[in-house]
Amino acid sequence: RKEVEQDPGPFNVPEGATVAFNCTYSNSASQSFFWYRQDCRKEPKLLMSVYSSGNEDGRFTAQLNRASQYISLLIRDSKLSDSATYLCVVNGNTGKLIFGQGTTLQVKP
Amino acid sequence: EAQVTQNPRYLITVTGKKLTVTCSQNMNHEYMSWYRQDPGLGLRQIYYSMNVEVTDKGDVPEGYKVSRKEKRNFPLILESPSPNQTSLYFCASSPLGFSYEQYFGPGTRLTVT
Repeated sequence: RKEVEQDPGPFNVPEGATVAFNCTYSNSASQSFFWYRQDCRKEPKLLMSVYSSGNEDGRFTAQLNRASQYISLLIRDSKLSDSATYLCVVNGNTGKLIFGQGTTLQVKP
Repeated sequence: EAQVTQNPRYLITVTGKKLTVTCSQNMNHEYMSWYRQDPGLGLRQIYYSMNVEVTDKGDVPEGYKVSRKEKRNFPLILESPSPNQTSLYFCASSPLGFSYEQYFGPGTRLTVT
């Protein structure tokens, strides 16, 4: 089993749709969780940190479920500019970060 | 401008010819790290450094070396590159460690023939 798993997609959605991605992780001791966005093989950029209580930033909502060991990202009112690959990131052992392989989102007009 | 720079951005080389990819950050970050990204495998950590003179192996360190003699620089060295090291490489830095936002460089696309 991979340490961090994501459905690679692609998720093809129309503008205005709501889309959700899940990511599961295997290390129950993990404490830090993030969603990064990556455009077309460019460098990843932080989208959101994920906190135990869940957090929201505009159209984006991230949640953590420790019991089931997964994090989620919800995007409301999708825009064409949301088309990208979304990377789930979890800390492993000390100093290590584990990236999921990414979920590709295509938002279509 | 706060940034992480990598050089070269593109490199085509031959098997066995030693090469170095440089990484430099101007944000006074303690933590620096190298990743490789391959289709279907995502980003995998090669090495990381919590501070000057402190480096540790990530998940795929074989065939790579690093050094951290200064806070701002974290070069990646391939002593004898092989075709399976053909990949997209990213350097990243973070102010306080892996629990904080990682700032990535623009990437280095390496091809080993």
